[in-house]
Amino acid sequence: DGGITQSPKYLFRKEGQNVTLSCEQNLNHDAMYWYRQDPGQGLRLIYYSQIVNDFQKGDIAEGYSVSREKKESFPLTVTSAQKNPTAFYLCASSRQLSTEAFFGQGTRLTVV
Amino acid sequence: GENVEQHPSTLSVQEGDSAVIKCTYSDSASNYFPWYKQELGKRPQLIIDIRSNVGEKKDQRIAVTLNKTAKHFSLHITETQPEDSAVYFCAASISSNDYKLSFGAGTTVTVRA
Repeated sequence: DGGITQSPKYLFRKEGQNVTLSCEQNLNHDAMYWYRQDPGQGLRLIYYSQIVNDFQKGDIAEGYSVSREKKESFPLTVTSAQKNPTAFYLCASSRQLSTEAFFGQGTRLTVV
Repeated sequence: GENVEQHPSTLSVQEGDSAVIKCTYSDSASNYFPWYKQELGKRPQLIIDIRSNVGEKKDQRIAVTLNKTAKHFSLHITETQPEDSAVYFCAASISSNDYKLSFGAGTTVTVRA
């Protein structure tokens, strides 16, 4: 199903390298989010953006960076400063405040 | 910031029985409380939500209740079926002008046939 697309589904990187995860939505949503999912810890918010060219840190932003140059796109860069980057990353978007968030299918990042 | 706690972390029920998951939140300004279901290997999807001006909402076998005074909300699944087996997440939006959505740690529900 379309709407919000993350790529790639699986990603492998060597320790010390930066890596960028893609998130694109064609739902015309204003808000976009990045979450990290680890077993037993639920969905932890990394960054979110309410509007183009603006974004805010979530609860675990250290070692990550984002940009929001276009409404449709919200890429996440996992930098070498992130101490434990291996995880499942979920991108989401929502139309406006307090409405349903639609999730992408996720990217599983493994750093070796 | 908002802190959402969810209990239990795992729940095993016999098919046909009810399942209840409870969440508490810390910020009294939160006004939107969705529940998401994530089946194995799939993305989370919204199953029901409730806003702070409503105390209870029901959709077929699923219901959510909200107690604003106590700052807790619960998901009730009746007549559970094997396809209800999944991880369920509660969430809360932190304020009236912020898009931030904070999630609980999740509950793994297993329905035994």
